Amino acid sequence: QQQVKQSPQSLIVQKGGISIINCAYENTAFDYFPWYQQFPGKGPALLIAIRPDVSEKKEGRFTISFNKSAKQFSLHIMDSQPGDSATYFCAACLLFNNDMRFGAGTRLTVKP
Amino acid sequence: DAGVIQSPRHEVTEMGQEVTLRCKLISGHNSLFWYRQTMMRGLELLIYFNNNVPIDDSGMPEDRFSAKMPNASFSTLKIQPSEPRDSAVYFCASSPALNTEAFFGQGTRLTVV
Repeated sequence: QQQVKQSPQSLIVQKGGISIINCAYENTAFDYFPWYQQFPGKGPALLIAIRPDVSEKKEGRFTISFNKSAKQFSLHIMDSQPGDSATYFCAACLLFNNDMRFGAGTRLTVKP
Repeated sequence: DAGVIQSPRHEVTEMGQEVTLRCKLISGHNSLFWYRQTMMRGLELLIYFNNNVPIDDSGMPEDRFSAKMPNASFSTLKIQPSEPRDSAVYFCASSPALNTEAFFGQGTRLTVV
């Protein structure tokens, strides 16, 4: 049932380093790709999102790279900070009916 | 608006008992999602509704699970009878029509012993 595959399952990065999380999808009908951030004890919250008509979107230290032909997209966190330690979920969505499918999540730990 | 409100926050129940999880949507939102989160399987979509109508319930594990939207602002997820393997954190999320950002509640941590 997993329509979106996410890797790695966990990631440890030193403060100031780059965190990279990858996702792949199969259904070419997906037309919206958000990333969600979840802190312990909280629900996921939208971090950044991209439509398939662009190859990159940047918001502050967070960048999504999108490769439509490969059906892959990734999240890059530049200058990673301990406060970025959280679980990150990629998702793929069908806009016409709001069907949203999540990857399994990546637990990111940024060491000071 | 207070956001998506889920209750209870924690539920501990014995195997075989009925469990009802509740969710209040953000006012004006038209889509409602129920997700289950476990360490092994991550965030799984169980069912979602658009305008009170169930659109896709293929993620509901089995007949023991049922979800309803008795009105536009409220939903329940019922498990009857509950089993230990149902232990997880259950999230509901809502989103406005034609907007794909999903706003999540804080989740209900269910433990079935």
